[in-house]
Amino acid sequence: QKEVEQDPGPLSVPEGAIVSLNCTYSNSAFQYFMWYRQYSRKGPELLMYTYSSGNKEDGRFTAQVDKSSKYISLFIRDSQPSDSATYLCAMSVLTDSWGKFQFGAGTQVVVTP
Amino acid sequence: DTGVSQDPRHKITKRGQNVTFRCDPISEHNRLYWYRQTLGQGPEFLTYFQNEAQLEKSRLLSDRFSAERPKGSFSTLEIQRTEQGDSAMYLCASSSRTGARELFFGEGSRLTVL
Repeated sequence: QKEVEQDPGPLSVPEGAIVSLNCTYSNSAFQYFMWYRQYSRKGPELLMYTYSSGNKEDGRFTAQVDKSSKYISLFIRDSQPSDSATYLCAMSVLTDSWGKFQFGAGTQVVVTP
Repeated sequence: DTGVSQDPRHKITKRGQNVTFRCDPISEHNRLYWYRQTLGQGPEFLTYFQNEAQLEKSRLLSDRFSAERPKGSFSTLEIQRTEQGDSAMYLCASSSRTGARELFFGEGSRLTVL
């Protein structure tokens, strides 16, 4: 079983809808959580990061972490066709090995006009 | 452009040949990472450097793979005697050890082994 599980999708939503993405993990030592967006044949682009349980907002994006359930989420409000991409969750411990991230497989999102 | 730069963007080679990829990190970042991504999967950690020191290597990094970061600036990843299973996107990322813990990726070097 992988340390980080993420539904590969595809997830298709109409423009303007809320996109809801999530990952589960098994390693309770993970303390640092990131979300990346990756367009086809491009490198991952950092969207948000968070250390703690609870919600963090940045524009149309909200990241949510529930450490007790080992579950993280990303919500995209007012989705646009330009949000069509693969979204990757990533997590790491907060030791000197920070940066050795475990990634989910990515969820493909399609926002239709 | 002050982001992470990787070269070449795409390399096609025949099985058994050696290939080398180069990564130039964001200039003030002292940590540099290599990841590998295959189709439909998330990136997998290969190795990382703090300045010129290689601090950790994944079990994925067989003895055909070698990475260097001379003088703590750019890094190279060499794959010797390539195999078809080495076909993947090789991603470089960099971060600063202090301040905000953000990991920035380059556009990747895609390897196709025929």
